[in-house]
Amino acid sequence: DIQMTQSPSTLSASVGHRVTITCRASQSISGWLAWYQQKPGKAPELLIYKASFLESGVPSRFSGSGSGTEFTLTISSLQPDDFATYYCQQYNTYPWTFGQGTKVEVK
Amino acid sequence: QVQLQQWGAGLLKPSETLSLTCAVSGGSFSDYYWTWIRQPPGKGLEWIGEIVHSGTTKYNPSLKSRVTISVDTSKRQFSLRLDSVTAADTAVYYCARGRLIRIWGQGTLVTVSS
Repeated sequence: DIQMTQSPSTLSASVGHRVTITCRASQSISGWLAWYQQKPGKAPELLIYKASFLESGVPSRFSGSGSGTEFTLTISSLQPDDFATYYCQQYNTYPWTFGQGTKVEVK
Repeated sequence: QVQLQQWGAGLLKPSETLSLTCAVSGGSFSDYYWTWIRQPPGKGLEWIGEIVHSGTTKYNPSLKSRVTISVDTSKRQFSLRLDSVTAADTAVYYCARGRLIRIWGQGTLVTVSS
């Protein structure tokens, strides 16, 4: 299986700050990476697909980059609604796998 | 608007069989992969497997010996069966559409406890 490793596991930040989350794959997944946001008690929501494509309806403060084995999710200016847990997912090779999650909390 | 509605038993004893069903309303049924994902309490997401309308399946090798995903195209439903559950199978189980998941079911908490 392809292992997906996110860092950090927890991130403390303030509203208005720039936030970056990293996701590393144990082998190349080309650009077949997605990012999801999950709030407590809710299903995840797709933010980014194919590493850098913004899902329709997702605010432009979210962006993704990377290819191969290293990827990043950036929130350019953190908003109150963005405090949540973020997961990366590779969909290049079965079984599809997720990172362990990064919780973005209030500093 | 596409919606997924899932149901099934929420409390099981060890060694019993988990059974969940997901009904799809709206949209195409034949054009997508239909997926099951689970999330243990306070933990991350695990892909269980997927099926297409023809019945072709793919499973996570970690669960392959115990899992069966089936489809009923006439009812626009797909189902998950997980045999011989243990406490480690306690999780919220989600049905979902696609490999890149834009549509999720509401989730079902399944607790395995004696």
